[in-house]
Amino acid sequence: SAVISQKPSRDICQRGTSLTIQCQVDSQVTMMFWYRQQPGQSLTLIATANQGSEATYESGFVIDKFPISRPNLTFSTLTVSNMSPEDSSIYLCSVVQGGIYGQFFGPGTRLTVL
Amino acid sequence: QKEVEQNSGPLSVPEGAIASLNCTYSDRGSQSFFWYRQYSGKSPELIMSIYSNGDKEDGRFTAQLNKASQYVSLLIRDSQPSDSATYLCAVKPPAGGTSYGKLTFGQGTILTVHP
Repeated sequence: SAVISQKPSRDICQRGTSLTIQCQVDSQVTMMFWYRQQPGQSLTLIATANQGSEATYESGFVIDKFPISRPNLTFSTLTVSNMSPEDSSIYLCSVVQGGIYGQFFGPGTRLTVL
Repeated sequence: QKEVEQNSGPLSVPEGAIASLNCTYSDRGSQSFFWYRQYSGKSPELIMSIYSNGDKEDGRFTAQLNKASQYVSLLIRDSQPSDSATYLCAVKPPAGGTSYGKLTFGQGTILTVHP
């Protein structure tokens, strides 16, 4: 399966600032997704990162708050904008590769907003 | 009704026993089903996938699917303390439209295997 890395692995940020999270895959993948996992909760899909076009956002998530880029088939970024303590969470990227319809997850970025 | 439902547990089993984890889903057209294991502080790891009714075995793990009952389960035989984790059930919606490739996750079941 693909090797997925995320940067940063964790960060502590101040309210009102923005953080950009990077997701790098060691091979080209057809689909990339961004999830949020709040403490003690399951995974919530934020958006599908589309190569060469705007991301497709799930209900409750908007581009102004979570802008996403995907310039090629191996890389994507998620920005968490104008952060508040409610944005404290683990952010995960995932990929679908080849004929495996499940998703493989990166190691996650643990974000704390003060 | 939640789209994918799991008993949050915790489920506690003794070492060597069979752990049974259950999941129900609401979309009858769903075709693909997955089990993920998530250790505390780690990201989810795909451990099983199942697409057809019946059982699928992989080592100590067996996934069972019953589409008529909209039910999928994971059995872990000879449970080990290292199996202690949260197990997430994920369901892939029917193909088509904007749902392609997406997964819907249950809330997860916490499993504890005690020596």
